[in-house]
Amino acid sequence: EADIYQTPRYLVIGTGKKITLECSQTMGHDKMYWYQQDPGMELHLIHYSYGVNSTEKGDLSSESTVSRIRTEHFPLTLESARPSHTSQYLCASSDRSGEREGRDTQYFGPGTRLTVL
Amino acid sequence: QKEVEQDPGPLSVPEGAIVSLNCTYSNSAFQYFMWYRQYSRKGPELLMYTYSSGNKEDGRFTAQVDKSSKYISLFIRDSQPSDSATYLCAMRVRTGANNLFFGTGTRLTVIP
Repeated sequence: EADIYQTPRYLVIGTGKKITLECSQTMGHDKMYWYQQDPGMELHLIHYSYGVNSTEKGDLSSESTVSRIRTEHFPLTLESARPSHTSQYLCASSDRSGEREGRDTQYFGPGTRLTVL
Repeated sequence: QKEVEQDPGPLSVPEGAIVSLNCTYSNSAFQYFMWYRQYSRKGPELLMYTYSSGNKEDGRFTAQVDKSSKYISLFIRDSQPSDSATYLCAMRVRTGANNLFFGTGTRLTVIP
């Protein structure tokens, strides 16, 4: 079982509020990711990080921002939540040192289900 | 056209049945193929990971990749009610690639 945690698991919040979704992993993985998952749709990558102080945007445009100050921690922030941000947010991590042997599979956290009213 | 196509189901089978789940894809550069299982209100959990064409077996699960047809399958033998979940296929071009391309998932229910 992967040791990757997300809090809160569920969040209902009003429009305009600032929110931070927490993600942490205890596996020492270099790479971390944020995906967005909507019902009946495929997962889309919105942010990723190669390591501390490294963050990149994914394929799906997102108004959220991320930071990576510590290896184990990769929080996602929305400065002003809107109903269009309602979705499931999934955090994942992988071991970069396993890439050459193809052992860099991504392990997912349980997700945060965000509802913006 | 989507990179990865997956029949969303839902699929209902009796306990003990053999289940076949499938995905097709359009990008011939995909080399690494994964199947994830996602229980309701949980994150995806890696089930099977294969490289290139061929079969891989793990207990009741068998993953098959046919690169010539751009088609991958997951077979579940002797299906159990605990197998009831959404199954997601995923693939990528190379190790180290950040982007996994996912199917939309097939929802499976195994009826006792």
